[in-house]
Amino acid sequence: QSALTQPASVSGSPGQSITISCTGTSSDIGNYNYVSWYQQHPGKAPKLMIYDVSDRPSGVSNRFSGSKSGNTASLTISGLQAEDEADYYCSSYTTSSTGVFGTGTKVTVL
Amino acid sequence: EVQLVESGGGLIQLGGSLRLSCAASGLTVNSEYMSWVRQAPGRGLEWVSVIYRGGNTYYADSVRGRFTISSDKSKNTIYLQMNSLRAEDTAMYYCARDSSRGWHHVTWGLGTLVMVSS
Repeated sequence: QSALTQPASVSGSPGQSITISCTGTSSDIGNYNYVSWYQQHPGKAPKLMIYDVSDRPSGVSNRFSGSKSGNTASLTISGLQAEDEADYYCSSYTTSSTGVFGTGTKVTVL
Repeated sequence: EVQLVESGGGLIQLGGSLRLSCAASGLTVNSEYMSWVRQAPGRGLEWVSVIYRGGNTYYADSVRGRFTISSDKSKNTIYLQMNSLRAEDTAMYYCARDSSRGWHHVTWGLGTLVMVSS
């Protein structure tokens, strides 16, 4: 199972919106609405930010939103804040009954 | 509050074996879907294995046949038995509680570091 493809880095100024893409195949993203997104600060464990494509866990800011079209999922961060600077990973269930993560995107707040 | 505490990591020789533990509190492991996820130094996340309510198990291609996930109801702990370790198994290993609906890792432990040396 190959990793899902994400851009290596995305940057934006405070207050701006940024979007991170996550491209898979018809064996993962394209076949299920089971895309999730994780935020990871340096030296810390990942944190669930979005699940089932666009749902937010309790406590996660509504500045974070998710969507999907075909084999590509996206995470949008609106009103970018300094604390959003972190690595972000997408994940999907696959037709092999396994999981797969994306390659990861480093978000920089300028 | 759900807490997951991993242990058992360390420095191990190429080809050796190691057993990781994930002690859970605030949940019953045999009633949950539990995963192991790893992260090599400076690299991305890699899903490793899942156990469904102490029963069915699934593995990533990279570890199938070498790693075994299991659970102990009496200790409320899940394990990852790792055999025939390779250099590329060097990573931080995280235990995670998964949702029973869909596919997402809801709660994570702090991880335990495994270093495979030649």
